[in-house]
Amino acid sequence: GAVVSQHPSRVICKSGTSVKIECRSLDFQATTMFWYRQFPKQSLMLMATSNEGSKATYEQGVEKDKFLINHASLTLSTLTVTSAHPEDSSFYICSASGGAQETQYFGPGTRLLVL
Amino acid sequence: GNSVTQMEGPVTLSEEAFLTINCTYTATGYPSLFWYVQYPGEGLQLLLKATKADDKGSNKGFEATYRKETTSFHLEKGSVQVSDSAVYFCALRRDSGNTPLVFGKGTRLSVIA
Repeated sequence: GAVVSQHPSRVICKSGTSVKIECRSLDFQATTMFWYRQFPKQSLMLMATSNEGSKATYEQGVEKDKFLINHASLTLSTLTVTSAHPEDSSFYICSASGGAQETQYFGPGTRLLVL
Repeated sequence: GNSVTQMEGPVTLSEEAFLTINCTYTATGYPSLFWYVQYPGEGLQLLLKATKADDKGSNKGFEATYRKETTSFHLEKGSVQVSDSAVYFCALRRDSGNTPLVFGKGTRLSVIA
């Protein structure tokens, strides 16, 4: 199946710093990418939907100024956690869809720890 | 709204035991239903799917049937292996591939030799 990568896989940062997470579709063009957040022993919660070349659509309760999403190309979307705080510590997962395809392909996730 | 409820784990089975992980959903219309698996240290992988009522998805010995009358999509496998140890997520999606998935909380399966 298609491959989606995420970088970094794990990041530890100090409170107040910003962290950028990259999501890449390696062998297909992803017209839509999704960003999810997963707390321990919880389900994946959708944060935002990102379409190439347009602004992301955020779910209710997700601060768009804190979680900046850029989908500048058909193979790359980035999530920047600005001024991170300990409560932002979580597992962030992206998925990519090639449009009409039924299947979404998931990245391996990025574990963020904010000290 | 749309939601997915799946049985809580962890589930611990001996090798070659029969597996059932229950999943029920609430949705308007006719969603597509999925089971994803997450092996330790890896991302989610699609295990199987069904797009309409009475469809049966199957892969790697796992099966699930889309039951509209009971709004269920239970995952079954006749004989589990140690390598099946993972977290299993039931999910639904309305409309096309450009709409997001709604996940259940996941069920951790441990298979012991």
